[in-house]
Amino acid sequence: AQSVTQPDIHITVSEGASLELRCNYSYGATPYLFWYVQSPGQGLQLLLKYFSGDTLVQGIKGFEAEFKRSQSSFNLRKPSVHWSDAAEYFCAVGAMDFQKLVFGTGTRLLVSP
Amino acid sequence: NAGVTQTPKFQVLKTGQSMTLQCAQDMNHEYMSWYRQDPGMGLRLIHYSVGAGITDQGEVPNGYNVSRSTTEDFPLRLLSAAPSQTSVYFCASSYGTGSLSSGANVLTFGAGSRLTVL
Repeated sequence: AQSVTQPDIHITVSEGASLELRCNYSYGATPYLFWYVQSPGQGLQLLLKYFSGDTLVQGIKGFEAEFKRSQSSFNLRKPSVHWSDAAEYFCAVGAMDFQKLVFGTGTRLLVSP
Repeated sequence: NAGVTQTPKFQVLKTGQSMTLQCAQDMNHEYMSWYRQDPGMGLRLIHYSVGAGITDQGEVPNGYNVSRSTTEDFPLRLLSAAPSQTSVYFCASSYGTGSLSSGANVLTFGAGSRLTVL
């Protein structure tokens, strides 16, 4: 069965600094990988997804993620964080039936002035 | 286009009471699902449906029932609420066919329903 690990529960980044959120997955075949963002009191919004092809994927709001098969990772990055990026971020992995996503426990991003 | 609509947004129940969380989507999505979100545990799949009349269990189905009589609606029923069911519940939907590159099979989430069981 697939699983996802997000090792950082909280991360604080200064506004304007770069960001990297870690995600490691466990799955025996080629995974379908997603990053979602959840603002306080809101549902989840898709940032980006990977299923094949170029291992560097671009998403909305200036985010990107890189799939590294050798490390079983799908880390999320942003070169310059804005205060509005403060939210909780979830990595998710899907199998062939990729509607049944398995989510990580989330990383809460705090942005300091 | 409202997307995925969940009602109610907030609900307080006493142990043993029953209730139904409503979920409706207007995107003609084939696939619908229910997740619960608990602190430190991410989102866990409760039940899902790949089309009208078809439902199946997810990771944490105990204590919950679902049915799918129409494409648009996917209600989640708690027959006898327990404090362990205190959580935030999310409904999600997606197209059931097509390629991921076209946007199919990407989940659209509702805003959530916060349930407290005393």
